[in-house]
Amino acid sequence: DAKTTQPNSMESNEEEPVHLPCNHSTISGTDYIHWYRQLPSQGPEYVIHGLTSNVNNRMASLAIAEDRKSSTLILHRATLRDAAVYYCIRPVGNQFYFGTGTSLTVIP
Amino acid sequence: NAGVMQNPRHLVRRRGQEARLRCSPMKGHSHVYWYRQLPEEGLKFMVYLQKENIIDESGMPKERFSAEFPKEGPSILRIQQVVRGDSAAYFCASSPLPPGGAGDTQYFGPGTRLTVL
Repeated sequence: DAKTTQPNSMESNEEEPVHLPCNHSTISGTDYIHWYRQLPSQGPEYVIHGLTSNVNNRMASLAIAEDRKSSTLILHRATLRDAAVYYCIRPVGNQFYFGTGTSLTVIP
Repeated sequence: NAGVMQNPRHLVRRRGQEARLRCSPMKGHSHVYWYRQLPEEGLKFMVYLQKENIIDESGMPKERFSAEFPKEGPSILRIQQVVRGDSAAYFCASSPLPPGGAGDTQYFGPGTRLTVL
């Protein structure tokens, strides 16, 4: 059971929007979807989380499908500092389940 | 408000020695999690603790590994008789609320990178 599925890597040009997809088809009805990112040699950094409706904060937007089986993290204007591994996370019991994440490359 | 603090940031041990990793959660957070990350992999859950209690240690190896979160002081992850396979980055996270619900966001520390020679 792949708890979350994300593309291994994506590229984006600087200052363009980026849409990072995630499938979580077995998620339960009450589990939040969390997104974190990890820069090289650093700990994961919280980006955003949501349950059913779309969410916005200063870092990103989160679009959650109506059936909750997938979600998309949207970075509105990618910068070089956004180059990182992005993890879509669903809670599993007491833990956050980290998959392999999407490595985002931002091209100047 | 200081974030989650971990020390040391880098730790080198020889095979058979003990490693002690410390984690100070954010102020007001009583829930602590430990994760391990091998090179080129995602983080893997090890243990979840509340003050003075181990709640879930399902991800922690049964031998040589132990964790505590005393009433006073930081949480400690202890690895006895380290082996080369223990070389990894160990991350601590804290949360103000228990898992489940809108407020269970985990805030991560910078990690301790353990190298076993």
